[in-house]
Amino acid sequence: AQSVAQPEDQVNVAEGNPLTVKCTYSVSGNPYLFWYVQYPNRGLQFLLKYITGDNLVKGSYGFEAEFNKSQTSFHLKKPSALVSDSALYFCAVRVHGSSNTGKLIFGQGTTLQVKP
Amino acid sequence: GAVVSQHPSRVICKSGTSVKIECRSLDFQATTMFWYRQFPKKSLMLMATSNEGSKATYEQGVEKDKFLINHASLTLSTLTVTSAHPEDSSFYICSARVVGRTSGISSSYNEQFFGPGTRLTVL
Repeated sequence: AQSVAQPEDQVNVAEGNPLTVKCTYSVSGNPYLFWYVQYPNRGLQFLLKYITGDNLVKGSYGFEAEFNKSQTSFHLKKPSALVSDSALYFCAVRVHGSSNTGKLIFGQGTTLQVKP
Repeated sequence: GAVVSQHPSRVICKSGTSVKIECRSLDFQATTMFWYRQFPKKSLMLMATSNEGSKATYEQGVEKDKFLINHASLTLSTLTVTSAHPEDSSFYICSARVVGRTSGISSSYNEQFFGPGTRLTVL
């Protein structure tokens, strides 16, 4: 079965410090991995994706993520956190299979709290 | 490019009434749209996959007669919550899938773009 896990319900970091939001996955075949951010009462905004190629993926708002095949991880990172980065973050993997419809499986979400 | 809208953004209704939520892809065509339900501070639960011109595919445990989905055109899918009850109160989010390369979003092949969500409150 394909799945995504975000082991931390909440991550707290001081403004200006680096941040990491963890994600691990379990898929058959090559993974297509995504990160989305959600602000209160809003839909999801796309941050970045890994399909193939360079393991370090750069995305929107200064975020990046590193694909690690051996550890089946796709952690989201940012060198210097901003208070405005405080939001709910979702990792997702696209479902593969003969009946692929492009479905996404989401992790449970991690709340990022950046304190001034 | 790749903007998805939802209408209404917020709706309050009485128990027993039906509510229709629209999901539109504004600048691209979407043969597939997805409907999600999200509880407070929880992950998104996929309810169904909406395919243009055919019946929706519902996830296990989702009542198809309760949540009616229609995908009448390549830019519009609707979700109707029939005979709504307070337990149906939730945040409903749709997404639209880009298939192929579309002007302005050439890097978006086979990606999903999400609407802003609809907050449903059933009294």
